[in-house]
Amino acid sequence: GESVGLHLPTLSVQEGDNSIINCAYSNSASDYFIWYKQESGKGPQFIIDIRSNMDKRQGQRVTVLLNKTVKHLSLQIAATQPGDSAVYFCAENGSGGANSKLTFGKGITLSVRP
Amino acid sequence: DTEVTQTPKHLVMGMTNKKSLKCEQHMGHRAMYWYKQKAKKPPELMFVYSYEKLSINESVPSRFSPECPNSSLLNLHLHALQPEDSALYLCASSQDGRFYGYTFGSGTRLTVV
Repeated sequence: GESVGLHLPTLSVQEGDNSIINCAYSNSASDYFIWYKQESGKGPQFIIDIRSNMDKRQGQRVTVLLNKTVKHLSLQIAATQPGDSAVYFCAENGSGGANSKLTFGKGITLSVRP
Repeated sequence: DTEVTQTPKHLVMGMTNKKSLKCEQHMGHRAMYWYKQKAKKPPELMFVYSYEKLSINESVPSRFSPECPNSSLLNLHLHALQPEDSALYLCASSQDGRFYGYTFGSGTRLTVV
């Protein structure tokens, strides 16, 4: 079946370094992707999104890259801070249409070392 | 207002109890969702309401009963739950079924005893 997955379950980075979180998706019909950050005890927080007609989108300290050829999505966080420590999920909108579903990847824990 | 508000934040209920979870948004979003999230797992979709009509039920047991009284409110009625139903229940909303502006609430931490 279709799935969205992450390559690594945990990522540990030094404060101030850049972080790269990767995500593989398998539904070639997906045309919208979202990255979420979830801190302990809270709901997922929207970070950045990208539509399939784009390869790259930048926000404040974050960049999302989309490679449709290999069905790969990545989130880059510049100058990682302790407040970036959380679980990160990628999500895709599946086959599209009014009843399409937002499917989440497994999640990766980002741990920032001081 | 750019928030999805869920109440209560925490709920402990017995297996014979009846309780309700509430969700509210005032962003004019026309799609609302219920998700269940177990520890260290991604959210799992339960129900989707689009323009106040149930459009997706992910084969959820009947002990969970959703209700959408109006475009701003979403309820989840709980009855005869099992301990394995203990989880974080998340509500979300989006502008429409295309997920743009998709926003989650902070969730209700449910414990069934």
